[in-house]
Amino acid sequence: AQSVTQLDSHVSVSEGTPVLLRCNYSSSYSPSLFWYVQHPNKGLQLLLKYTSAATLVKGINGFEAEFKKSETSFHLTKPSAHMSDAAEYFCVVSEGGYQKVTFGIGTKLQVIP
Amino acid sequence: DSGVTQTPKHLITATGQRVTLRCSPRSGDLSVYWYQQSLDQGLQFLIQYYNGEERAKGNILERFSAQQFPDLHSELNLSSLELGDSALYFCASSVLPGGQGSEQYFGPGTRLTVT
Repeated sequence: AQSVTQLDSHVSVSEGTPVLLRCNYSSSYSPSLFWYVQHPNKGLQLLLKYTSAATLVKGINGFEAEFKKSETSFHLTKPSAHMSDAAEYFCVVSEGGYQKVTFGIGTKLQVIP
Repeated sequence: DSGVTQTPKHLITATGQRVTLRCSPRSGDLSVYWYQQSLDQGLQFLIQYYNGEERAKGNILERFSAQQFPDLHSELNLSSLELGDSALYFCASSVLPGGQGSEQYFGPGTRLTVT
């Protein structure tokens, strides 16, 4: 069975400082992993995805994530936070075949001016 | 714009009533998902369809039902509505139901208010 754990429900950073949003997963198979972002009152938008190619994945808006199999982690990072990054971020795991997709509980990112 | 459309955008109805939410997936996507998002429960997966067949069920109440039609659009039916059903309901679509190609594209949501 697959599962995903987002280790922080809230993260607060100053504008211009690095962002780290943590995600650990559990999967019986080689998983596909995703990060989504949701701005207030909006739908979720795909930030990036890992599908067994390069372990360092680059996404939109300067975000990237590294797949670490030994640590079962897929943390999301950005070198310098921008005010527009304030949103909720969801880590998602999906096993192959016809398994359902599992969302984490979300991490709310606050960016302080 | 994700290419996923949902109607209506807003819906206000009374307790005990029944409503239908509609979703049209992106062109070429065969899998449709429904989610409920509320302040106290967060984002909850309800149900998934793939090419017309139910593929996975999440925390969907018995009062709720869904289906995916031959043209791949989907409807979520909510009946005997309660105040606690007030939430944002999202539809998402993907090419495949799992693994590679399963990244989902979300619609803008339908905000349901039950009074």
